[in-house]
Amino acid sequence: NAGVTQTPKFQVLKTGQSMTLQCAQDMNHEYMSWYRQDPGMGLRLIHYSVGAGITDQGEVPNGYNVSRSTTEDFPLRLLSAAPSQTSVYFCASSEPGQGRRGYTFGSGTRLTVV
Amino acid sequence: GDSVTQMEGPVTLSEEAFLTINCTYTATGYPSLFWYVQYPGEGLQLLLKATKADDKGSNKGFEATYRKETTSFHLEKGSVQVSDSAVYFCALFTGTASKLTFGTGTRLQVTL
Repeated sequence: NAGVTQTPKFQVLKTGQSMTLQCAQDMNHEYMSWYRQDPGMGLRLIHYSVGAGITDQGEVPNGYNVSRSTTEDFPLRLLSAAPSQTSVYFCASSEPGQGRRGYTFGSGTRLTVV
Repeated sequence: GDSVTQMEGPVTLSEEAFLTINCTYTATGYPSLFWYVQYPGEGLQLLLKATKADDKGSNKGFEATYRKETTSFHLEKGSVQVSDSAVYFCALFTGTASKLTFGTGTRLQVTL
């Protein structure tokens, strides 16, 4: 019953470095998404995917890339980290067309860019 | 666009006190409404949901009723416990934007 698994849990990057945040789910969910959580701003959608090979931008996509080569995995890439990307990142998934039932969230990755 | 407004925190209550966290929304279309809870150091967990007007979601002693006429989904609990200390997020889903729209979160602290 792994659900949505995110790695790493914590990461410190220097400005300009690149890294990939991993997200994997074992529920055969077609829909996956990435959110960032910032104080006083709730959660904001970065990118989402409705199935393998299909991705789209959310409300705050700048500075992030995604790809979806398999149903299970949805990595988030930071090509050149900036201090403004210091945040907590959450991956979420749901069954196709079942967003009204709610999403399953991972436990998050806390990223600090110095 | 869609938006969710919830009361600012933090909310500090004594154990066994009554809890209300207000949530109102604006949405295009006909949303489903959710309350998520985030315990310290953890991810978000779905607490309860309602998918149509007048539905009442409930879980772990928490309740919220979908009020279309007032566009509200207030969270209530009759007697809070220290273990309820967490951040609570109100959210909506309409399907047109393929995303959940969240409020800013309300931190609840319950003391003995």
